[in-house]
Amino acid sequence: KQEVTQIPAALSVPEGENLVLNCSFTDSAIYNLQWFRQDPGKGLTSLLLIQSSQREQTSGRLNASLDKSSGRSTLYIAASQPGDSATYLCAAWAGTALIFGKGTTLSVSS
Amino acid sequence: GAVVSQHPSRVICKSGTSVKIECRSLDFQATTMFWYRQFPKKSLMLMATSNEGSKATYEQGVEKDKFLINHASLTLSTLTVTSAHPEDSSFYICSVKQGAGGPNEQFFGPGTRLTVL
Repeated sequence: KQEVTQIPAALSVPEGENLVLNCSFTDSAIYNLQWFRQDPGKGLTSLLLIQSSQREQTSGRLNASLDKSSGRSTLYIAASQPGDSATYLCAAWAGTALIFGKGTTLSVSS
Repeated sequence: GAVVSQHPSRVICKSGTSVKIECRSLDFQATTMFWYRQFPKKSLMLMATSNEGSKATYEQGVEKDKFLINHASLTLSTLTVTSAHPEDSSFYICSVKQGAGGPNEQFFGPGTRLTVL
């Protein structure tokens, strides 16, 4: 059974810092991995999708990597801003369903 | 990406009543939609996969007679929580999967906050 874990559960940084969020999954037989952002009381916004054949994806200040063999993905946020404060979720597509981690809650102070 | 709407965004009801939540795919036809629930500080848990024109596929532990799912058209899926109780209070989110077959990107609705008194 696929399990997705995110570390750390919470992170506080000052504005301008570069940071890395970690995601690990137990079953390397995934089709893709997706990173989402969730603001309090809101739905999910898709940030990046990495197909199993890809190693990384970039969008603006965000870069996500995928290492299937080690069961890990990272989300790199460059030059963090207060507007980046939110909960970041990773999810692995296991063929029939997205399996989510519990998320990392990020707080960026100005 | 795909635009997904949900209605209502928030609902408060009395115990024992039924509540219907709508999920609409606004800019493409979705043969498959998904329903999730999320408890505070918890991850999203898949409840069921909704397939247009056929019965939904429920995850283990989800009561299909309590959570009725209808996917009558390619742009609309509904989740009805029947005889709601306080333990059904949660955040319900739907998603749509782009692309025919295979693993593709999922896009989520804004969610519906259900509070059962």
